[in-house]
Amino acid sequence: GAGVSQSPRYKVAKRGQDVALRCDPISGHVSLFWYQQALGQGPEFLTYFQNEAQLDKSGLPSDRFFAERPEGSVSTLKIQRTQQEDSAVYLCASSRRDRGGETQYFGPGTRLLVL
Amino acid sequence: GESVGLHLPTLSVQEGDNSIINCAYSNSASDYFIWYKQESGKGPQFIIDIRSNMDKRQGQRVTVLLNKTVKHLSLQIAATQPGDSAVYFCAETGLTGGGNKLTFGTGTQLKVEL
Repeated sequence: GAGVSQSPRYKVAKRGQDVALRCDPISGHVSLFWYQQALGQGPEFLTYFQNEAQLDKSGLPSDRFFAERPEGSVSTLKIQRTQQEDSAVYLCASSRRDRGGETQYFGPGTRLLVL
Repeated sequence: GESVGLHLPTLSVQEGDNSIINCAYSNSASDYFIWYKQESGKGPQFIIDIRSNMDKRQGQRVTVLLNKTVKHLSLQIAATQPGDSAVYFCAETGLTGGGNKLTFGTGTQLKVEL
């Protein structure tokens, strides 16, 4: 079956530009997570949605980062006024139910390069 | 042998040998642990998981061991194949409630030599 998909796969932005990254989770999955992965490191949590509700945004590094999931399916991570330190791979993951022990399935990520 | 590279620790093994990848986790409250495999240009892929009420779990060619006393996890891969070459991450999280974000370890680069 279809897995988690993300678009675009690659994005080059000039410093100060706004970007929007899209995540299509597995159909019917309740939970959706965004992670940021710097080069050579493990993914780090950004934010979490239960259906359309953003229940945890404690990992967002600044108020330039904003995420939404208005209909409880597709999610968009927006970064305003991008900075060079925002360069990373942004990963989206979804899980079937919102409870412990559920496997998180990851998309291929969007590789963002800010020049 | 095992060495610390510029970014990631690296484990090099011969094809057909067994691999052991180690991970130390940080949070004593974590009670669910997962191993992920990440190939270049791809997202992490689930391999195997283990709950804190277990100390060993076996899958196909993989075994995870958990030592809660010293907060240590290991992933054993039997008869390592070239397709096993990737970065392996352990992740920890909680079992209670929802929204259980994953906390990933540093990662280990596994290189399989023919």
